[in-house]
Amino acid sequence: KNEVEQSPQNLTAQEGEFITINCSYSVGISALHWLQQHPGGGIVSLFMLSSGKKKHGRLIATINIQEKHSSLHITASHPRDSAVYICAVKETSGSRLTFGEGTQLTVNP
Amino acid sequence: GAGVSQSPRYKVAKRGQDVALRCDPISGHVSLFWYQQALGQGPEFLTYFQNEAQLDKSGLPSDRFFAERPEGSVSTLKIQRTQQEDSAVYLCASSRRTSSYEQYFGPGTRLTVT
Repeated sequence: KNEVEQSPQNLTAQEGEFITINCSYSVGISALHWLQQHPGGGIVSLFMLSSGKKKHGRLIATINIQEKHSSLHITASHPRDSAVYICAVKETSGSRLTFGEGTQLTVNP
Repeated sequence: GAGVSQSPRYKVAKRGQDVALRCDPISGHVSLFWYQQALGQGPEFLTYFQNEAQLDKSGLPSDRFFAERPEGSVSTLKIQRTQQEDSAVYLCASSRRTSSYEQYFGPGTRLTVT
């Protein structure tokens, strides 16, 4: 069992739909990251959070430390949101990030 | 300002060749990380530097992999006697201070071993 699991693995939506991507983890963490990766490999950090909720534009990230679960929401999705979304956790001990396998999101016009 | 840059962006190596991959972190960033991302997978940690000190190299898959950051800025990941299973995207990331801070990723180097 991976330490970080994401669901779904693949998600196809129509433009304008509300999207949710889930991340569950099994280790104690000091922070959780949501990352966006476009074709060609470039990774952009969307959020880093350790509690509660953060919002940036149409993106919202929430985390429940007790349940070891985080969600990434996209409101009013757009084709340019099509990318791989990756959840990564920073364990309380150590320096490394542990990544989920990513969720491939495709938003059709 | 400039982000994290990596070179080359693409590298094709014949099995058995040595390769060197370069990472230029954001100026002034203390921490530098190397990750390996196989096709269709999430990245996996390789090694971590704080300034010039390599504090964690537990993710390096074999002794053919070696990383250095001699002056605390530019880092090089070297792979000796490349094997086909080394084919992956190698990502570099830097953060402003310790590993607890947000990481900024470079575009990656796609290595193909034939």
